[in-house]
Amino acid sequence: GENVEQHPSTLSVQEGDSAVIKCTYSDSASNYFPWYKQELGKRPQLIIDIRSNVGEKKDQRIAVTLNKTAKHFSLHITETQPEDSAVYFCAASTGRIKAAGNKLTFGGGTRVLVKP
Amino acid sequence: DAMVIQNPRYQVTQFGKPVTLSCSQTLNHNVMYWYQQKSSQAPKLLFHYYDKDFNNEADTPDNFQSRRPNTSFCFLDIRSPGLGDAAMYLCATSRDIRGDGETQYFGPGTRLLVL
Repeated sequence: GENVEQHPSTLSVQEGDSAVIKCTYSDSASNYFPWYKQELGKRPQLIIDIRSNVGEKKDQRIAVTLNKTAKHFSLHITETQPEDSAVYFCAASTGRIKAAGNKLTFGGGTRVLVKP
Repeated sequence: DAMVIQNPRYQVTQFGKPVTLSCSQTLNHNVMYWYQQKSSQAPKLLFHYYDKDFNNEADTPDNFQSRRPNTSFCFLDIRSPGLGDAAMYLCATSRDIRGDGETQYFGPGTRLLVL
C-alpha cells in the first residue's frame, strides 16, 4: 500500500519568514495530494491540493509543488504569521478504484510554530 | 459551515460500556469515512462507506462497527470501549465521481474519554 513520509516533524520559524514542509510517497499511481491544517482541538481543514497533471499550485501565501518523477511534494508558506501555527498534514491518494472511494494516506504531520 | 456535523462533540463513557457516535452531512456526498486520531498523530482510517458498500480497514479492531442507514447519516459503534480507545473520532465525506481524487471534508470530531 501507499506510504507517505513527512518532514520535518516540528518547524519553528520567525514571523515573516518562509516555512517549507516536504513529503514523499511510495505509490507511483497516486494522483491527488491534499494538505490539511489542523489547529489544536479542531478539525483538519484543507488548505490546498494538487493533482498529478500539474507541477505547482499557488493560493496567496501558500504554494504546493509536485515532482512525480521523484515522488515528492512540498508545501511552501511565505510571510508566515502567528495564525499559521498549527499541525500540517500531507496526504496522497490514487482514487482509482470505485469501491475504495478516495482513500487518503496521511503523512505523520508537522507541528509549525510561528514566533512573533 | 455546518456541512459535516458530529454529535456529541464530547463523549464520556465507562470502560466496556457501548457508545455510539453520530455523523450527518448536508453535502449529499456518496462516500463517508470514520477516522481515529490520537494526540496530534495523523488521522487513522477505520472504515468507509461507498454509497451503501462498507469497506473495513484490515487493522480496524472488531470492537468498532459502523452503520449508514441513509446517505446523510453514519454511525460509529464502539461495542466495548477500552482505555486505548480514548481519542478524537473524525467523520469525513467526499464525492467520488471521476475517481481521480475528491476533497474530503471533515466534521469537527467527537472527543471520546473512557473512564
